[in-house]
Amino acid sequence: EIVLTQSPGTLSLSPGERATLSCRASQSVSSNYLAWYQQKPGQAPRLLIYGTSSRAAGIPDRFSGSGSGTDFTLTISRLEPEDFAEYYCQQFTTSPWTFGQGTKVETK
Amino acid sequence: EVKLVESGGGLVQPGRSLRLSCAASGFTVNNNYMSWVRQTPGKGLEWVSVIYSGGITYYADSVKGRFTISRDTSKNTLFLQMDSLTVDDTGVYYCARDYYASGRYAHEIWGQGTTVKVSS
Repeated sequence: EIVLTQSPGTLSLSPGERATLSCRASQSVSSNYLAWYQQKPGQAPRLLIYGTSSRAAGIPDRFSGSGSGTDFTLTISRLEPEDFAEYYCQQFTTSPWTFGQGTKVETK
Repeated sequence: EVKLVESGGGLVQPGRSLRLSCAASGFTVNNNYMSWVRQTPGKGLEWVSVIYSGGITYYADSVKGRFTISRDTSKNTLFLQMDSLTVDDTGVYYCARDYYASGRYAHEIWGQGTTVKVSS
């Protein structure tokens, strides 16, 4: 099973700041099979990024993804108030499809 | 509008069964890859099962042999039959329509979730 480790656990930032979230895999993940989700309290996860760097429909361009192999990054260029939430990465390279434990982006 | 609505969650005793439903609108379940994902206090987000458009199914080891994913064409609905439930199965269960194109994959559309609590 591929273990995804997200860091940091919590990111305390102010609106307008840049957020950089890391997702590290225990073994190589295909770039086609790495996705990022946003989840707000009481809501279902929402797809942000698929295939490492492709934005899902309706996702603003302040969200971007990059990486390869075992290291992947989600960047939010300028935090908006609605971006404060939990973020998860997920891999589909091998079964079981696994999620990271999440990074919480909170208001500083 | 593409939408997924789960139902069937509730409180159930250990060892008992529950069947979750996921009603789809705006697209055809049979023509898509569909997954169940759960969020539990112990493990966070956990993929549970997938059914491909051709009918092939896969399961996480934690539920293999106990859970069964299926679909009903006439109702345009996805199901998850959960047997021999344990306290570790407690959580929110989401169904998702999966995106698979150009060699890329993701859980694209999510339902709002249904809560399952396994307790005596």
